[in-house]
Amino acid sequence: EVQLVQSGAEVKKPGAAVKISCKASGYTFTDFHMHWVLQAPGKGLEWMGLVHPRDGDTRYAENFQGRVTITADTSTDTAYMELSGLRSEDTAIYYCATSLGGAQWLTTWGQGTLVTVSS
Amino acid sequence: AIQLTQSPSSLSASVGDRVTMTCRASQGINSALVWYQQKPGKPPKVLIYSASTLEDGVPSRFSGRGSGTDFTLTISSLQPEDFATYYCQQFNLYPHLTFGGGTRVEIK
Repeated sequence: EVQLVQSGAEVKKPGAAVKISCKASGYTFTDFHMHWVLQAPGKGLEWMGLVHPRDGDTRYAENFQGRVTITADTSTDTAYMELSGLRSEDTAIYYCATSLGGAQWLTTWGQGTLVTVSS
Repeated sequence: AIQLTQSPSSLSASVGDRVTMTCRASQGINSALVWYQQKPGKPPKVLIYSASTLEDGVPSRFSGRGSGTDFTLTISSLQPEDFATYYCQQFNLYPHLTFGGGTRVEIK
């Protein structure tokens, strides 16, 4: 069974950084992109970026360029998303999601990680 | 960047109703559109991809149409488990993805 299991909820102060993990299982991790999407409370979905685990190639949304770093560790089949310079508006659920089978959409999602930014 | 506008932002309907919602792209995206369903506290789930292809396991009461800039998602007979928020997403500029703002389907 394909699964993406994310790390637990985080509470951070403004200006800090957060790093969330996403462990993949049930498929060949290096074959498909891993994306990150955020959802602010009561709001819609926003794509942040992706990594291709095979070569580490990354692409980021313009809104997050310079603040987000997405990486992949092929030794543990785990992807990471680090967001720096946190502000209250970054309070959100962060999802990892993969595009299995060469799909260009998000076929399988993690359970989400709530990040709360508060002083 | 391609923007997607969904309408209405919310709607109220009864079980058994036929429901249609739209997604409009700011520029042509061919058929590079996906529809997701999201229930509270859960991640989104794919319903339809490439504008009109039903994902395996999704009930046939869901259907998608459109190409270019205008797309629709229709639920032919609304069921209790269909009350949720629906999002469209374009992949014409993959790997850069964009989502619509969502349509919330509520019980009348």
